[in-house]
Amino acid sequence: GAGVSQSPSNKVTEKGKDVELRCDPISGHTALYWYRQSLGQGLEFLIYFQGNSAPDKSGLPSDRFSAERTGGSVSTLTIQRTQQEDSAVYLCASSLGGAGYEQYFGPGTRLTVT
Amino acid sequence: GNSVTQMEGPVTLSEEAFLTINCTYTATGYPSLFWYVQYPGEGLQLLLKATKADDKGSNKGFEATYRKETTSFHLEKGSVQVSDSAVYFCALGDGGFKTIFGAGTRLFVKA
Repeated sequence: GAGVSQSPSNKVTEKGKDVELRCDPISGHTALYWYRQSLGQGLEFLIYFQGNSAPDKSGLPSDRFSAERTGGSVSTLTIQRTQQEDSAVYLCASSLGGAGYEQYFGPGTRLTVT
Repeated sequence: GNSVTQMEGPVTLSEEAFLTINCTYTATGYPSLFWYVQYPGEGLQLLLKATKADDKGSNKGFEATYRKETTSFHLEKGSVQVSDSAVYFCALGDGGFKTIFGAGTRLFVKA
C-alpha cells in the first residue's frame, strides 16, 4: 500500500515568508509526528498528534511554528516569517500507536531559506 | 530526562569487516529500543527493534541486544557490504508517544 507522502519535496523561500509543508500519513495510522533534521544532525522532535487528543507541541522551537491535523489524517506544518536557521529537512512519520510501534517516515521536505 | 547517545561517525570499513555501532540510553521505566537506517537519498526505515530486556532484534544480518544492566543497545553485523553504507539512528520509545533519536552514525563501506 501507499506509504507516507510529503509535499513539496523541495522548497526555497525568502527570509520572512510563510511556508506550509504537507504530510499524508498511512491510512489507519492514528499517530503522526513531525521532526526536523538539520545537516549532519539527528532528528529533532517537533510535534505529534494521536487520534483526537490534543497534540504534544513541546518540541516546536518557537511560536512561528504551528501544525494541524485535519480529520485525523492529513497534517500541515506552517512556519511563519521564516528565518535562515529554519533551513532543514522536515520529516513526517506515522504509526499505529505509541512509542513502542514502528514509525513509517516520509521522504521529507527540504526547506531552504535564502 | 530520557536520552540516547550513539558513537560519532563517520565509520569507514572495508567490505566483509565486522561492524559495531555503540548506543547507550538513559530512561526511566522500560523503554522500547530501535535502530533506524537512512540509505542515501531515501527516508528513514526501521531496521530492528527490541521491547524488553535481553531481547535481541535482528534483520538483514544486523543484530542488537537490549542490555538493561549496561543500558545499551549496540548494533552489530558480522560482515558488512557496500550496500550497508547509510546513516544509522538509535532510538528510544519512552512509553508514551514520544520517540527520542540519537544523532546518527554515518557508515561508509569500501569495496
